[in-house]
Amino acid sequence: EPEVTQTPSHQVTQMGQEVILRCVPISNHLYFYWYRQILGQKVEFLVSFYNNEISEKSEIFDDQFSVERPDGSNFTLKIRSTKLEDSAMYFCARSGSSYNEQFFGPGTRLTVL
Amino acid sequence: KNQVEQSPQSLIILEGKNCTLQCNYTVSPFSNLRWYKQDTGRGPVSLTIMTFSENTKSNGRYTATLDADTKQSSLHITASQLSDSASYICVVTGGGYQKVTFGTGTKLQVIP
Repeated sequence: EPEVTQTPSHQVTQMGQEVILRCVPISNHLYFYWYRQILGQKVEFLVSFYNNEISEKSEIFDDQFSVERPDGSNFTLKIRSTKLEDSAMYFCARSGSSYNEQFFGPGTRLTVL
Repeated sequence: KNQVEQSPQSLIILEGKNCTLQCNYTVSPFSNLRWYKQDTGRGPVSLTIMTFSENTKSNGRYTATLDADTKQSSLHITASQLSDSASYICVVTGGGYQKVTFGTGTKLQVIP
């Protein structure tokens, strides 16, 4: 199965700190996504990214969040000034097109203290 | 507002038995519907993906159906195995370019 790797697997940070979550897609798929899943709740869409630009974002994805693909390979989600409620699993996904199935990474568990 | 509702919330079945999970959605315009399996603490894994014109799609012991008129989908699991214990999530794409809406999932537990 096509792979997406995410680093770190677990990140613990103090409230107010900045965190960067990384996603490394193995293939050359063009569409990337970030999702969040708070413990015990459903998965929530954050943002989709195509051709090095944001193509869609949810209401959750406010100015605290940003995404980029700095070196053409890694796909990063930056959370500025983390809050307690940012504690969640963050999943990266990729697809070959907006209509194809998405392949999810194993997730990064973010804990904000 | 785009919504995806799943039922039941949780289900316990005996190993070897069949079960059917339901998904109702209000997403419009509709692009596609996917079923995912998510083990605890892991990323979702795709089971099936269906577009507007597809009524049924199978993947091994998993069979998904789609009725685009009534906006309902079901996932049927045949001859359940202990490894089927997981959350099953219905995800609908539509209502905007690449916008995806996740259901709350059905937590399935298969017991010996």
